[in-house]
Amino acid sequence: GAGVSQTPSNKVTEKGKYVELRCDPISGHTALYWYRQSLGQGPEFLIYFQGTGAADDSGLPNDRFFAVRPEGSVSTLKIQRTERGDSAVYLCASSLGGRKTDTQYFGPGTRLTVL
Amino acid sequence: GENVEQHPSTLSVQEGDSAVIKCTYSDSASNYFPWYKQELGKRPQLIIDIRSNVGEKKDQRIAVTLNKTAKHFSLHITETQPEDSAVYFCAASIWGNTPLVFGKGTRLSVIA
Repeated sequence: GAGVSQTPSNKVTEKGKYVELRCDPISGHTALYWYRQSLGQGPEFLIYFQGTGAADDSGLPNDRFFAVRPEGSVSTLKIQRTERGDSAVYLCASSLGGRKTDTQYFGPGTRLTVL
Repeated sequence: GENVEQHPSTLSVQEGDSAVIKCTYSDSASNYFPWYKQELGKRPQLIIDIRSNVGEKKDQRIAVTLNKTAKHFSLHITETQPEDSAVYFCAASIWGNTPLVFGKGTRLSVIA
């Protein structure tokens, strides 16, 4: 079946602008995660959804970052007043949820460049 | 919170040789340890994982070992092939759908 998909694959924006990054999880997966990967580093956790609610948002770096998952499927990561330090690859992952399995399947990522 | 250390950061081996990557974790509550392979510009892909109720797991040329007492786990790749060249990440979490904490990665180069 289809894997996790993310759009856009690349996003270039100017400092101070607002961006939205979209994640489509694997069908039937109730758990959804956002990670951020800087060059040469491992993915770092941002936020985790179980269904529609954010179960853990402790990884969001500040209040410029926000994510939603209104219908328990597609999720959008929103970044306000972007800064050059926000440049990274933003990865989304999904898993079955409900303690059935912890296997997280990753999307291809969105490469965000803030000029 | 959890902290995962990974070594080495780079590793070069001759084709056919074995490669070993080691990770340590800090939180004794962690009980799930996956390994991901990431090729340049691609998504991380799970290659093997282990839960803390077993000490070793093998899948063809890939094996993972876990020492809960010492809080470390290792990835072993035997008979390496050029297509094994990639960045490998270890991670740790508490079973039951919690966020993964990743190591910084190991760039493996297999020289033909």
